[in-house]
Amino acid sequence: EADIYQTPRYLVIGTGKKITLECSQTMGHDKMYWYQQDPGMELHLIHYSYGVNSTEKGDLSSESTVSRIRTEHFPLTLESARPSHTSQYLCASSVSSYNSPLHFGNGTRLTVT
Amino acid sequence: AQKVTQAQTEISVVEKEDVTLDCVYETRDTTYYLFWYKQPPSGELVFLIRRNSFDEQNEISGRYSWNFQKSTSSFNFTITASQVVDSAVYFCALSSGYAGNKLTFGGGTRVLVKP
Repeated sequence: EADIYQTPRYLVIGTGKKITLECSQTMGHDKMYWYQQDPGMELHLIHYSYGVNSTEKGDLSSESTVSRIRTEHFPLTLESARPSHTSQYLCASSVSSYNSPLHFGNGTRLTVT
Repeated sequence: AQKVTQAQTEISVVEKEDVTLDCVYETRDTTYYLFWYKQPPSGELVFLIRRNSFDEQNEISGRYSWNFQKSTSSFNFTITASQVVDSAVYFCALSSGYAGNKLTFGGGTRVLVKP
């Protein structure tokens, strides 16, 4: 069973602040992903990484940025938070083959006031 | 483009009733994988099952069963004798080489099982 951790679990922050959502996994998975989940439940891929120093934007345009300096760590940063960024952010990881299931963290619920 | 559609947004049943969740997908690839995930109120998505496009054998696992029909591009999921703990959002998802191996999720179906 994959261990993948997201912090913080909940975050309420004012407009204009810079924030970083942390995601770490201990399984040595090459692939990592960030999904944004609307209040209406839909999941949208916003960033993914196939390995160290590899990051790509997902299907949904996002003002956030990511980095992958270490295999186990895939943080997401918002330089200037806005109310439109209010959402749940889910991090996931998987082994390299495309038929591998994703293992998800518990998510970070972000509220920007 | 690949797409996954879950037409039912919410299903409410009384405990012990059966629940069937519909999933229809679109992809250009001939080789692809289909998944079902469960998202309980705690928030994390839990992997339930994976099926490849060449394996149309339906499966039963405890109270869960899956019906994959390639001819209708459907991958339906049934919970038999539902329990309150089955209350969650269920997501169908698709992965194929055409989409760069990224997972595409359906909109989810919220299942509410009442005691």
